[in-house]
Amino acid sequence: DTAVSQTPKYLVTQMGNDKSIKCEQNLGHDTMYWYKQDSKKFLKIMFSYNNKELIINETVPNRFSPKSPDKAHLNLHINSLELGDSAVYFCASSQLSGRAGNEQFFGPGTRLTVL
Amino acid sequence: QKEVEQDPGPLSVPEGAIVSLNCTYSNSAFQYFMWYRQYSRKGPELLMYTYSSGNKEDGRFTAQVDKSSKYISLFIRDSQPSDSATYLCAMSDGSSNYKLTFGKGTLLTVNP
Repeated sequence: DTAVSQTPKYLVTQMGNDKSIKCEQNLGHDTMYWYKQDSKKFLKIMFSYNNKELIINETVPNRFSPKSPDKAHLNLHINSLELGDSAVYFCASSQLSGRAGNEQFFGPGTRLTVL
Repeated sequence: QKEVEQDPGPLSVPEGAIVSLNCTYSNSAFQYFMWYRQYSRKGPELLMYTYSSGNKEDGRFTAQVDKSSKYISLFIRDSQPSDSATYLCAMSDGSSNYKLTFGKGTLLTVNP
């Protein structure tokens, strides 16, 4: 039973297109995240939602828009894709309420290639 | 100075060796420390979680935190080829948004 799942696993698209990546977690967690991992493997936080409320919004172009329809889902929509958006995007989740620390559990990633 | 520094390696060791992976950090407010293992083309997998200073052991893995030196370590005993992966340290200050700050990862290869 997959804890954090993402679709699609691979996404190849042309510059200028709009695309979405979906994430679902079945861990019952209250917080979800989007990370970008570049070619040098550096993991950088983009957004975080706690109970559908945006709590982390790093310096990300406004072409990126997250949406959380409920606690178990967090989607990422990217407008006007650019070459530099090519990366692996990871979704993660954690339980913040009632717990100390922030153990995050990651999905398998979506490999985005912009041509 | 970056908040979290981690030697990217690569680190190559023979099977059975003891591996030591390390991170240093500059933010004295960090108090929650994690190690993740990431196999090629997979998501990071939580390996070890520690709070504040001290040691934690789980099978062949031991995590150490020295807050006075702002230094954390992960030791792998009797390393196996299946341990070959990138190891990422991560830490949090436990503030309201609980943001994790990651190191850049160390690529480890264990040779049979």
